[in-house]
Amino acid sequence: SDVLTQPPSVSVAPGQTARITCGGDIIGSKSVHWYQQKPGQAPLLVIYDDSDRPSGIPDRFSGSNSGNTATLTISWVGAGDEADYYCQLWDSYTNHYVFGAGTKVIVL
Amino acid sequence: EVQLVESGGGLVKPGGSLRLSCAASGFTFSSYGMNWVRQAPGKGLEWVSFISASGTYIYHADSLKGRFTISRDNAKNSLYLQMNSLRAEDTGVYYCARAGWELLGDFWGQGTLVTVSS
Repeated sequence: SDVLTQPPSVSVAPGQTARITCGGDIIGSKSVHWYQQKPGQAPLLVIYDDSDRPSGIPDRFSGSNSGNTATLTISWVGAGDEADYYCQLWDSYTNHYVFGAGTKVIVL
Repeated sequence: EVQLVESGGGLVKPGGSLRLSCAASGFTFSSYGMNWVRQAPGKGLEWVSFISASGTYIYHADSLKGRFTISRDNAKNSLYLQMNSLRAEDTGVYYCARAGWELLGDFWGQGTLVTVSS
């Protein structure tokens, strides 16, 4: 079954760009989705199908997926972007959803 | 506006049972698959169960070992999770989420807390 690898944390200065990776075997051949979760809140979908944004998500959030790595990019990071971010895909061999362990974005 | 509201959480003793509910509104419930996801205190997200729009297809995480059962009532716009033989490690917040194509959840409820403790 699929295993998704995320770094535990990413630190970024305000106004800079945060890049969060999600590694998996031939992940580039699958659709990857990203969720943001702030403390005490439910997860929020920020990117679906590798690079599409739901309505209401600012274009500072973007995604890419190729080879063995999917990446969530947050441009012009602000304090409001501090959160945990999770990648997710569907494993069609096991009919299971899979989450990465999550990455905490820390705004310095 | 899509709304998902979970209920039914609470404190239960090890070995006990609990039934969670998720009331859906703001969309055609019978047209969407639905998921349950849980989060242990201080831990990451863990997928629990999926049920297709009509209820025909049901999938559960292997870790549950058959203790949980997902179901739905499209006439009542409601999703359920029957949890049996509860263990301390089942403690956490349980979320329902509306599924998309290979997407676990485009909309999520606020969650309901389940605590398994003696």
